[in-house]
Formats: sequence, C-alpha cells, structure tokens
Amino acid sequence: DGGITQSPKYLFRKEGQNVTLSCEQNLNHDAMYWYRQDPGQGLRLIYYSQIVNDFQKGDIAEGYSVSREKKESFPLTVTSAQKNPTAFYLCASSRNSDTGELFFGEGSRLTVL
Amino acid sequence: AQTVTQSQPEMSVQEAETVTLSCTYDTSENNYYLFWYKQPPSRQMILVIRQEAYKQQNATENRFSVNFQKAAKSFSLKISDSQLGDTAMYFCAFMKPGWTSYDKVIFGPGTSLSVIP
Repeated sequence: DGGITQSPKYLFRKEGQNVTLSCEQNLNHDAMYWYRQDPGQGLRLIYYSQIVNDFQKGDIAEGYSVSREKKESFPLTVTSAQKNPTAFYLCASSRNSDTGELFFGEGSRLTVL
Repeated sequence: AQTVTQSQPEMSVQEAETVTLSCTYDTSENNYYLFWYKQPPSRQMILVIRQEAYKQQNATENRFSVNFQKAAKSFSLKISDSQLGDTAMYFCAFMKPGWTSYDKVIFGPGTSLSVIP
C-alpha cells in the first residue's frame, strides 16, 4: 500500500537534546512538507522540499533542520534551539502538479520533559 | 498575504442531521484552490473536497458539498446525513498555484465537529 510513514508516533525528550523525526513515502511524490500542529492554530509550515537535495524554510523554521538526500525520505530534526518544541508534527507529500492535494502521515507527538 | 479563518472552533450535530462549517479567506488572487481536510481522532488527515476558484459550480463528494461564494470569499462545507464517523477536526485550506512547482497550502485553525448519536 502506498502512503506516508512517520516514526516514532510518540517521543519524549529532555530539554537540551536534539531529536529526529522520520518521514518516509512510497508514493513517488516529488514534494514533501513538515507541519507543526498546535491546538487552535491549525497547521503551520516548518520546511518543504520540492526535489532531492533542495529544501526551503517555511513560516516557523527556527530551531528546526531537515535534509532531503533521497526522494522517499524527509527527516526533521528538532534542535535544542527550538524554544517550545512540544507539539504534534505532521509530514505530508504531494505531486508537483496543480491538484494541490496533500497526503499526510499519521503524525508524531513530541513531548519535552 | 493570504489568510484563512474558521470562526467556529467547535460544533456538534445529531446523527443523520445536516451541519454547515464556515470558512472565509482573504486573497487578492483570482486563480486559486480551496480545500476541506478532515482529521479524525486517529489523526491521519485526508482530503474531503476540493474547489477550483475558476469553476462556478460547487464541488460535491457524496454527502459533502461546498457553498463557494467567490466575491464574498466564503467557502463553507455542508455535511448531509451526518454519521458518527464524521466526528473529526475539519480544516479549511487555501492554495495558490505558483509560477514554479511550489505549492504552499495555508490552513485555517480548524473546527472540531462532534456527531452525537
């Protein structure tokens, strides 16, 4: 079955630690995205990537980093510089076409202790 | 900058009844797309319905339909014959097709819908 897999589903981190969230897709989509979801704020774009080895900052990139070494993979690192990292993180992908439809993973919930 | 507003943080509806979720947006663009996404308690978000701004006809997908008022910049979602499985967070979203292949989707804050047996 084609889809997007995020791992881990739940993650706990101590303050000062970096943590990496995994996102893998087998939909053969060119574009991938990372969103942060907080109650009452909808989804906010952290980073996006149109093609391999290229990515761009979204609206709230500070304290986060990404890589896109393979088409299928777009991991997100939440660094210790992120002041309020406790949140629900969603990875998505889309074809580079005009449909605009996003396909989402099940999300990763990060809690900083 | 484009913005998307959903003025109803929470709504409830009786099973089998009809409910309408509101969405307004702000843009100076003439060509764009609008979406409703559904995020059930299991958390995987899926597309419910999509509307292209240049089409006057309102989009319909089974029990889901939209009322697209371009001049008023309004894009409401109507769910008919509500079912328990419709309980979810619903997000309205806007997208302007870019000159490159960059598609940036802007989401509203969401409406939490509860279907009551």
